[in-house]
This record gives sequence, structure tokens and C-alpha cells, in this order.
Amino acid sequence: DAEITQSPRHKITETGRQVTLACHQTWNHNNMFWYRQDLGHGLRLIHYSYGVQDTNKGEVSDGYSVSRSNTEDLPLTLESAASSQTSVYFCASSETGQGPYEQYFGPGTRLTVT
Amino acid sequence: GDSVTQMEGPVTLSEEAFLTINCTYTATGYPSLFWYVQYPGEGLQLLLKATKADDKGSNKGFEATYRKETTSFHLEKGSVQVSDSAVYFCALSGPGGFKTIFGAGTRLFVKA
Repeated sequence: DAEITQSPRHKITETGRQVTLACHQTWNHNNMFWYRQDLGHGLRLIHYSYGVQDTNKGEVSDGYSVSRSNTEDLPLTLESAASSQTSVYFCASSETGQGPYEQYFGPGTRLTVT
Repeated sequence: GDSVTQMEGPVTLSEEAFLTINCTYTATGYPSLFWYVQYPGEGLQLLLKATKADDKGSNKGFEATYRKETTSFHLEKGSVQVSDSAVYFCALSGPGGFKTIFGAGTRLFVKA
């Protein structure tokens, strides 16, 4: 069965370190998204991609970057981790073409920055 | 810009009670509307959807009707179970767009 996976599921890092969260999907979807989930804020979009070599900033992109070198993967990098980036991160994907564009979510990565 | 507003939680109900979670939206054009559910420790998953006015989405006993005149998409279930305890997100996707706008989520607790 097709799926979307994230790794690691839990990560503790120190302020100032670079961290990369992995996202891998086997749906063959062109569209991929990264969100963060914080109490009181729901889901906020960090970055998204509509295909290989395409990346776009979301509403909370400062301090984060992504790259898309193939269809399956969209890694999220925190350039210099800050305590404000402690959160749960979700990756999602969706197909292209006729809407509506349901999104398929990974299980999440809980990141703690100390 | 587009936005989704849903009722604040948590909502606490006894088993077999009737559930309503309110959701209203602001959007240009004719968006598609969704309800997603998040069980503890998991990612979101689609619960139901509606693509045009007066459409009713339904799944697992949950229902929601796309009301263009009131820009609403309220989630209802006639008899909740303990296993329905989760966080529910209302969302919209604009016409021709791929991005989805999510509400803040409503946590539901169902007591036995």
C-alpha cells in the first residue's frame, strides 16, 4: 500500500544545530507540504512543492528550507535550530489534476530544541 | 485571504450524545470543503469532503453539508462513541489551487 513516512519520529537537539527531518511518500504525488502544529495555532504551512525542483514558502518559512530532487522526498532543514521551533512537524502530499485536493499526512515528527 | 474558523474546544460529551462542531469559512470563488480527524499520536486523515454547494459529505456516521448561503460546513454525528475522541479540523481548498487552509482544530472527548 502507498504511504507517507517521516523520520525520525522524535528528535531532541540543541539550539544552533542544523536539523533535517525526512519525508518520503510512495503515492507518486507531485504536491508535497510541510506543516508545524502548535497548541492554539492549528496547522501552519512552512514550505510546499508542486514538483521536482519546485519549492515555495508558506506562512512560517523563516529559519526553514526544503529541496525537491525527486518525486518521493521533501526533506525539511532547520538551518540553526531555535527553541521557538519546538513543535510537531507533519509532512503531507496530494495528487495533481482534478480537485478536490485531499492531502495525505505522515505520522509526524516531534522536535524538541533545548 | 481565505480562512476557516471553527468552534473552540475542548468539547466533552457522554457516549451516545449528539455532536455538532461548527465551521465557517471565508473564500473567493467556490472552494472544496473538508473535515480531517487526528487521533492521538497520529497524522491527520480525511474524514469527509464536499465539493459544491448543498453537497453532503458523510463517513463513519459523521455528516457535513456545504452551505454556501451561510458559508458553513458544520460537522454532526448522531451518537458519538469513546473511539471518536480526537481532534477535528475543518479545511478548505480553493478552486484550481493545491494548498489547503486549516482551521485551528477542535478537540473532542467522549466519556463512557
